[in-house]
Amino acid sequence: NAGVTQTPKFRILKIGQSMTLQCAQDMNHNYMYWYRQDPGMGLKLIYYSVGAGITDKGEVPNGYNVSRSTTEDFPLRLELAAPSQTSVYFCASSFGLAERDPYNEQFFGPGTRLTVL
Amino acid sequence: GDSVTQMEGPVTLSEEAFLTINCTYTATGYPSLFWYVQYPGEGLQLLLKATKADDKGSNKGFEATYRKETTSFHLEKGSVQVSDSAVYFCALRGGSNYKLTFGKGTLLTVNP
Repeated sequence: NAGVTQTPKFRILKIGQSMTLQCAQDMNHNYMYWYRQDPGMGLKLIYYSVGAGITDKGEVPNGYNVSRSTTEDFPLRLELAAPSQTSVYFCASSFGLAERDPYNEQFFGPGTRLTVL
Repeated sequence: GDSVTQMEGPVTLSEEAFLTINCTYTATGYPSLFWYVQYPGEGLQLLLKATKADDKGSNKGFEATYRKETTSFHLEKGSVQVSDSAVYFCALRGGSNYKLTFGKGTLLTVNP
């Protein structure tokens, strides 16, 4: 299994440009998540999905959109890039819902480092 | 809401030194507690976890005990190695939701 894969690894955008960060998992996990990690900070949840066709906002969703057309893929879209979106973005997945399985583990991808100038 | 406070870094140790990274939390109900490690240029990996009071999580020589009375989950290792150099994140998951709440991370550097 490749686990959670993310592309690209690095990207520089100009203000106002748009892009899609790709995320895929091959573990047949129902739940997928997008986090951002700002320097010296912990991870903050942007969006999550509990299954194909179902997504919901996390703590910091403004400026982002997501879709989940398949179980495997969970792309994150930035429509009008702003310098405040300069961050490292991590995708993660897990099998089920925490409240039903306290041993449920989130598996993380290697991250995408995005700079908006 | 839920929150995690972990000791500020960076922490610099010599090889074979004893490591403690403090972590305290605020949460309603009975959260599960985690330590994640992030090696340079990589994503986060689960290091260890504990799901109820007095549980001890352990992995790769690291240990942490879930202390409900002090709301703490301190990470310890008796003898660190250069390969342990990484950023360590304490995190919790509330008893009734999916969401992981992370601390700010502690950078550990181990010198030979």
